Amino acid sequence: DTGVSQDPRHKITKRGQNVTFRCDPISEHNRLYWYRQTLGQGPEFLTYFQNEAQLEKSRLLSDRFSAERPKGSFSTLEIQRTEQGDSAMYLCASSLAPYTGELFFGEGSRLTVL
Amino acid sequence: DAKTTQPNSMESNEEEPVHLPCNHSTISGTDYIHWYRQLPSQGPEYVIHGLTSNVNNRMASLAIAEDRKSSTLILHRATLRDAAVYYCILRDVNGGSNYKLTFGKGTLLTVNP
Repeated sequence: DTGVSQDPRHKITKRGQNVTFRCDPISEHNRLYWYRQTLGQGPEFLTYFQNEAQLEKSRLLSDRFSAERPKGSFSTLEIQRTEQGDSAMYLCASSLAPYTGELFFGEGSRLTVL
Repeated sequence: DAKTTQPNSMESNEEEPVHLPCNHSTISGTDYIHWYRQLPSQGPEYVIHGLTSNVNNRMASLAIAEDRKSSTLILHRATLRDAAVYYCILRDVNGGSNYKLTFGKGTLLTVNP
């Protein structure tokens, strides 16, 4: 399968713990995005990378969130000191440049904070 | 960002056509209309997009009103696998963040056997 892959698919953690999610985009895609989706809502944009450069961060991304994309390949999204409000599906997507209007999403990483 | 309005839910029968409406009365001339769908427990999946003319692909057809204030996603023969949330999204190609998609709540499509 050459689609976007995310790991882990499910993560249960206790409040205050740190968690990290990994995204492997489609290999030739130089653009990578993170979105967050809570129950009953559509996905919300979090951040965007072009190659290794993080070009935009949403105001939703508090100081406890950090995303990286070293070497412009895979990306990680870390949440420090998790809170119950962080419980959500974290979705990664990738696309080609120039942007043709099509994002390829992974299946997501579901986070539950107890 | 220009906004879209979709019905919360729709029902259809298997093997019948489905017309999913979307209103976007504040659309600008540089807004593309995108449709994505999200099957249960999966990430969103691109369906189709267009600017002014009607568009067809292997998954669906997109019919855009002449004044562009509304559009309709057409699934020609619904199958049980088409049961999903369908999102209609506007994307301004001239905007500074033209790579960003703003999802609403979408339309939950139920397909009856």
